[in-house]
Amino acid sequence: AQSVTQPDIHITVSEGASLELRCNYSYGATPYLFWYVQSPGQGLQLLLKYFSGDTLVQGIKGFEAEFKRSQSSFNLRKPSVHWSDAAEYFCAVGARSGFQKLVFGTGTRLLVSP
Amino acid sequence: GAGVSQSPSNKVTEKGKDVELRCDPISGHTALYWYRQSLGQGLEFLIYFQGNSAPDKSGLPSDRFSAERTGGSVSTLTIQRTQQEDSAVYLCASSARGGSGGDFYEQYFGPGTRLTVT
Repeated sequence: AQSVTQPDIHITVSEGASLELRCNYSYGATPYLFWYVQSPGQGLQLLLKYFSGDTLVQGIKGFEAEFKRSQSSFNLRKPSVHWSDAAEYFCAVGARSGFQKLVFGTGTRLLVSP
Repeated sequence: GAGVSQSPSNKVTEKGKDVELRCDPISGHTALYWYRQSLGQGLEFLIYFQGNSAPDKSGLPSDRFSAERTGGSVSTLTIQRTQQEDSAVYLCASSARGGSGGDFYEQYFGPGTRLTVT
C-alpha cells in the first residue's frame, strides 16, 4: 500500500531564512508526487508536481522540490521564506495505474518568525 | 472561471442526525473526489466519481456514508446517523479527467465543509 511520511509536524523558520520540508514515500514503483499548501480556512493549493524527467521541479511561489529515487524522498525547498508562507504543507502521492486518488502525508505546519 | 465550491462552509449537527454536504466542481471537469481531513486521521480519500458513476468507493468509512453525483456535475455526500467521530473537514476536488493507466490530471480543491457533531 502507498504511504507518505512527513516526519516534522511543526517547523519554525525565520523570515528570510531557507526552508526544507521532508517527505518520504512508500510505493512499489515511482509514483506521481505532489506538494500542496493549505492556508487557514482554505482548501488545498497545488505547489508543484513530479511526473517524470528532471528530478528538480519548480513550482509556484518560489518553491522547488527534488525527487530522489534512492531515498524515496521528495523534499520541498525554498531559498528565502516570507511571512506569507506560514501555512500547512502536505506531500502526496498518486498511483501510476488505476484511479488517481491521492494519498497524503500528515502535513507539516510552517511557522515564520520575524 | 469559478473554482470548486462547497456548501455549507460550516455545519453543526447533533449526534444521530443526517447531514448532506454539497460540492460544485469546476465546469467541465468529469472527475470528482471527496476527501476527509480530521485530527486523528489526517487527509484521507473517501470516494471518486467519473461522470455520474463511482468506480472507487474504497475510502468510505462505513455504510452510513454515501455519495451521489447527478448530471456529471454537482455531488452530494450524505452522512446518516452522524457520530462524533465524523467531525472533520470534508474536502471536494475535481479534475478535468479521471486518469488511469499512466495519466494523472491535477486535482483542484474546494475550501471544504467543516462538520461538527455535538
